[in-house]
Amino acid sequence: DAKTTQPPSMDCAEGRAANLPCNHSTISGNEYVYWYRQIHSQGPQYIIHGLKNNETNEMASLIITEDRKSSTLILPHATLRDTAVYYCIVLSGNKLVFGAGTILRVKS
Amino acid sequence: GAGVSQSPRYKVAKRGQDVALRCDPISGHVSLFWYQQALGQGPEFLTYFQNEAQLDKSGLPSDRFFAERPEGSVSTLKIQRTQQEDSAVYLCASSPGQYNTGELFFGEGSRLTVL
Repeated sequence: DAKTTQPPSMDCAEGRAANLPCNHSTISGNEYVYWYRQIHSQGPQYIIHGLKNNETNEMASLIITEDRKSSTLILPHATLRDTAVYYCIVLSGNKLVFGAGTILRVKS
Repeated sequence: GAGVSQSPRYKVAKRGQDVALRCDPISGHVSLFWYQQALGQGPEFLTYFQNEAQLDKSGLPSDRFFAERPEGSVSTLKIQRTQQEDSAVYLCASSPGQYNTGELFFGEGSRLTVL
């Protein structure tokens, strides 16, 4: 029942910005977009979320298009430790519905 | 500890055995979730508690799965008569509020292998 579409994998050079896209064309007006990541053998980790305005925190930036049908997670200076599966999620009711995510490989 | 703690981290069970997986959420967190993650897939929702009340159990795959949180803190996920398809990582997560439950704190999971 995931409402999002993400590329299965992406590569990024260490030190460069990683831009992870997500399509959520059926999102409703009051539904938030959440991003999580999961490093191998760990539980998912919250990164950031937003409704319609762009958001930034110490981990990343979230850019949401004006029509809210897509968003991009930006890791400004990727490091090898950012290699993980990144999940874009539309909060459905009171639960997160994860899709398959994007495997981001940061390479030196 | 300061985070969500799950035990055991690894469990091997023979088919047909019952297992119990424990979750200690962050102290004071109202909401608690259980997820199941099969190898190579994203986590799938199992059930949700608000304090001791189980408000959503729509994700439990069969009546062999049972979860409880009797005092609104520690939770146990029980699987009866385990089957090979139950092999997965079981993740517990908590959040401080009863609303806006998108910002969850996950434990490292309990990996169940059913032989």
